[in-house]
Amino acid sequence: SQTIHQWPATLVQPVGSPLSLECTVEGTSNPNLYWYRQAAGRGLQLLFYSVGIGQISSEVPQNLSASRPQDRQFILSSKKLLLSDSGFYLCAWSSKDAGVNFYEQYFGPGTRLTVT
Amino acid sequence: GIQVEQSPPDLILQEGANSTLRCNFSDSVNNLQWFHQNPWGQLINLFYIPSGTKQNGRLSATTVATERYSLLYISSSQTTDSGVYFCAVTGGEKLTFGTGTRLTIIP
Repeated sequence: SQTIHQWPATLVQPVGSPLSLECTVEGTSNPNLYWYRQAAGRGLQLLFYSVGIGQISSEVPQNLSASRPQDRQFILSSKKLLLSDSGFYLCAWSSKDAGVNFYEQYFGPGTRLTVT
Repeated sequence: GIQVEQSPPDLILQEGANSTLRCNFSDSVNNLQWFHQNPWGQLINLFYIPSGTKQNGRLSATTVATERYSLLYISSSQTTDSGVYFCAVTGGEKLTFGTGTRLTIIP
């Protein structure tokens, strides 16, 4: 079965410091991968998605960037964090395989980021 | 892009009560999912239901794609049902989430 991991689970970082959040998926190959942010306990906003290695689409212009160095690894980064970057960051995956539910997404446990 | 509205925004019920949560969307979709976000933030997949009706234990869902809405039914509520319920839809590979319904079950 497929599993998705995120780390760290929680993070407290000062303003201006760099950021790196990691997401990995097991048990599938060539997945679509997604980064979401949730602020104030409501409403998930899609930040980035990737259909393959090195292919990144950005949904919202911001202080963040994403990379996909390996098939099942998705990284969210920032060079200098802002207070507004605080939130709950969720990674998700979906399968491209024919015969599975079309674009059904599965989410990781999330990383809670506090910028101080 | 597709707009997704959920109602009610908040719902407080006694344990054992039944509830209906609604999701309206503005365009035709090829994916509709219901999620439950637990107190730890984990998003749990409840249903993948772009059309039709499905049931899983005390939960069931119905999507009427031609009328652009979906309903989530929770029967005999338990305290563990508390949390935020999200509807999310897509016309392609990107999910658009509603703002959620916060359900609180009182013992």
